[in-house]
Amino acid sequence: EAQVTQNPRYLITVTGKKLTVTCSQNMNHEYMSWYRQDPGLGLRQIYYSMNVEVTDKGDVPEGYKVSRKEKRNFPLILESPSPNQTSLYFCASSSGGKTQYFGPGTRLLVL
Amino acid sequence: GENVEQHPSTLSVQEGDSAVIKCTYSDSASNYFPWYKQELGKGPQLIIDIRSNVGEKKDQRIAVTLNKTAKHFSLHITETQPEDSAVYFCAASRGLGAGSYQLTFGKGTKLSVIP
Repeated sequence: EAQVTQNPRYLITVTGKKLTVTCSQNMNHEYMSWYRQDPGLGLRQIYYSMNVEVTDKGDVPEGYKVSRKEKRNFPLILESPSPNQTSLYFCASSSGGKTQYFGPGTRLLVL
Repeated sequence: GENVEQHPSTLSVQEGDSAVIKCTYSDSASNYFPWYKQELGKGPQLIIDIRSNVGEKKDQRIAVTLNKTAKHFSLHITETQPEDSAVYFCAASRGLGAGSYQLTFGKGTKLSVIP
């Protein structure tokens, strides 16, 4: 089944404790992206990657890092999480200008 | 950068009535306009999209119209059903090359269909 998977689905952590949210897709897509969703703000892009070793900032990259060492994986790294990064995070992938497929989301709470 | 405004933020309709959600965008270079439906606890899912060389597109009860001159596009859902209740997002994008797009989303419309 074609899908985008994210792990973990739920995470509670404390300020300053590094964490990684994994994203993997099995559709051989070149393009992958991370979004955060906050009430009243919709979906805002954090980072995107057009292919392996090619990443670029989206609209709200501060406090986040990404890497794209393999085509299927695009982890999101929070080196020193802060409470304002409490949010719902979505990974997405696409290929050839076609629809973006979204993962199920990761709900993060930073205390 | 691109800015997408979406209205209304909430919409309630009676089952069987039509629902219309409107979006405007700011970047005249945008050429791809998808609409996503997000059900509770799930990720957004594409329901219909339109490209700038087309003025209207229809898929069963769902249609999208695009006015490039005015820089606005709309989602129309006819004969609404309770399962249409969800949050709907519009987005606008221009190509990044290599067939990829960078989407800018509206803030969403929560649609409630009352049985």
